[in-house]
Amino acid sequence: EAQVTQNPRYLITVTGKKLTVTCSQNMNHEYMSWYRQDPGLGLRQIYYSMNVEVTDKGDVPEGYKVSRKEKRNFPLILESPSPNQTSLYFCASSPRDSYSDTQYFGPGTRLTVL
Amino acid sequence: GDSVTQMEGPVTLSEEAFLTINCTYTATGYPSLFWYVQYPGEGLQLLLKATKADDKGSNKGFEATYRKETTSFHLEKGSVQVSDSAVYFCALSENQFYFGTGTSLTVIP
Repeated sequence: EAQVTQNPRYLITVTGKKLTVTCSQNMNHEYMSWYRQDPGLGLRQIYYSMNVEVTDKGDVPEGYKVSRKEKRNFPLILESPSPNQTSLYFCASSPRDSYSDTQYFGPGTRLTVL
Repeated sequence: GDSVTQMEGPVTLSEEAFLTINCTYTATGYPSLFWYVQYPGEGLQLLLKATKADDKGSNKGFEATYRKETTSFHLEKGSVQVSDSAVYFCALSENQFYFGTGTSLTVIP
């Protein structure tokens, strides 16, 4: 089944404790992206990657890191989480080619930073 | 820069009512336009899309027409069902993806 998976789905942590949220897609998509969803603000893009070893900042990159060492994986790293990073996070992938730029979303990771 | 503006919710309708959710966009070029839907506890999924002016996207009884002259992509459905209760996001794709803030729809029996 074609899908985007994220782990963990729920995470409660404390300020300053490094964490990683994994994202994997099995559709051989070039493009991957991370978003955070907050009430009243919709989805805001954190980072995106057009291909392996190519990453770019989105609208709200501060406090986050990403890497794209393999085409299928795009982990989101919070080196020193803070309470304002409490949010619902979504990973997405897209073929981003001349035929389709539809994004396919993972199920989300709800993060709480105490 | 590019942006998407959609009507704020929440929207509450009775079953079989007509639905319109307004969406306007700002873009420098010729973006693709999308409506995504998010059901409770789930990720976003594509509802419909249009890739050029005057295209109409449709799916599950929902429709939206790409209007370049008014820079709009309003979502409509003639008769909503309880199962349509969800959050709806308008989005565009140009150099990057941009999303609106989402409109929550509740349909009551």
